[in-house]
Amino acid sequence: GQQLNQSPQSMFIQEGEDVSMNCTSSSIFNTWLWYKQDPGEGPVLLIALYKAGELTSNGRLTAQFGITRKDSFLNISASIPSDVGIYFCAGNNNAGNMLTFGGGTRLMVKP
Amino acid sequence: AAGVIQSPRHLIKEKRETATLKCYPIPRHDTVYWYQQGPGQDPQFLISFYEKMQSDKGSIPDRFSAQQFSDYHSELNMSSLELGDSALYFCASSAGERGDADTQYFGPGTRLTVL
Repeated sequence: GQQLNQSPQSMFIQEGEDVSMNCTSSSIFNTWLWYKQDPGEGPVLLIALYKAGELTSNGRLTAQFGITRKDSFLNISASIPSDVGIYFCAGNNNAGNMLTFGGGTRLMVKP
Repeated sequence: AAGVIQSPRHLIKEKRETATLKCYPIPRHDTVYWYQQGPGQDPQFLISFYEKMQSDKGSIPDRFSAQQFSDYHSELNMSSLELGDSALYFCASSAGERGDADTQYFGPGTRLTVL
C-alpha cells in the first residue's frame, strides 16, 4: 500500500531553535495535513494544504505542499517547550477519503 | 468551537468480550472516520461513513463493525476482543460537502485495554 516516509524520527533541540521535518511518498497526494499529538490525546490539526506548491503559515509554523505532490515539509520557528510532542504528516490521494499517516517525528525541546 | 466527542475515554475489557465505542462528530459534519493507533505507531484507518453509508474500508477486522446513525454519530462495535486490540481508537469528522472534505478533525480517542 501507499506509504509516507517521515523524517527525522526524533529531534532534540534547544529552545529558540528552528525545526524542520518532512514527508515523502512514492505516489501523488492531493492533500497534505500536519498534526501534532500529545501522549494519550488525539491528533490536533496544525496546517492543511490543498494545492501543489502551496505555502501556508500558522503562527510560528510554516508548511509547504511540494510541487511534485509527493512531498511536504513543516517548519517550526523559535521553538518553545510546549512544542514538545509527536508531529504527523498525513495525506489523502482521493482513492478514498482516508488519511495515510507518516511515522511521526518526536520533538523534544530543552529549555 | 465544538470538537469531536468520543466516549468512553477509557475502557477495560477481558478477552472475548465485546466493546462499543461512540463518536459524536463536529456539528454539521456528515463524514466520520475511525482509526486505530497501537503503542508507538501512527494511526491506521479502519472505516468511514458519509451520510450514514459506509464510504471507505481499511484494515478493519471482521470482528469489528460500525455504523453511522441519523444524527451522524457513529459507533464502532468490537466483538471477540483479543489482546492485540488494545490501542487508542480515534474518530475523526469532516464536512463532506463544504469543499474541505479532506480536512479531518480528530477526537480525543478511546483507550481500549484488553486483559
